[in-house]
Amino acid sequence: EDKVVQSPLSLVVHEGDTVTLNCSYEVTNFRSLLWYKQEKKAPTFLFMLTSSGIEKKSGRLSSILDKKELFSILNITATQTGDSAIYLCAVEAKYGNKLVFGAGTILRVKS
Amino acid sequence: DTEVTQTPKHLVMGMTNKKSLKCEQHMGHRAMYWYKQKAKKPPELMFVYSYEKLSINESVPSRFSPECPNSSLLNLHLHALQPEDSALYLCASSRFTGGEQFFGPGTRLTVL
Repeated sequence: EDKVVQSPLSLVVHEGDTVTLNCSYEVTNFRSLLWYKQEKKAPTFLFMLTSSGIEKKSGRLSSILDKKELFSILNITATQTGDSAIYLCAVEAKYGNKLVFGAGTILRVKS
Repeated sequence: DTEVTQTPKHLVMGMTNKKSLKCEQHMGHRAMYWYKQKAKKPPELMFVYSYEKLSINESVPSRFSPECPNSSLLNLHLHALQPEDSALYLCASSRFTGGEQFFGPGTRLTVL
């Protein structure tokens, strides 16, 4: 059965801190790994990773995938209170065309 | 237009009611999805439509009935729901099946 595990489950940091969120997975016929940020409503897309070792970056956020060790990390530098959200990792298998989500990491950034 | 819209935002219904949730996108995406999300849990896939045909049904009870009238619209018809069906129902779309999915704001459903 396909499985995605995120850690930590929750995290409280102060503004300006750097955080690293982890996502490990077991999936048959891996196709891609995606990161989403969810605040009050819909998840918003952050990154899609398909190749090992290539860092994707957007402002203060970056992510990298290790297909050999089956994990990904999401880094957020110089955190702001607006980064407070649930960060979801999802893995897509080649067949079935569906996303399997991890339980998420709840990040709270204190001012 | 680069977003997925959903109506209504909130819905309260009794167990004998029939209602429908609507989802629309005008990004030319050919795959559309319904997810159910309970509080403090990740989204769970319900249905996938690809090129207006149902391609995945994740063993969803028949009281949920999806419909894809055209490539821009996705409906979810609800009938005889149970209180445990109360959740946030999210619609998503992607360019093709596979790849990044873009989510709508969701419909918060309460079944009394």
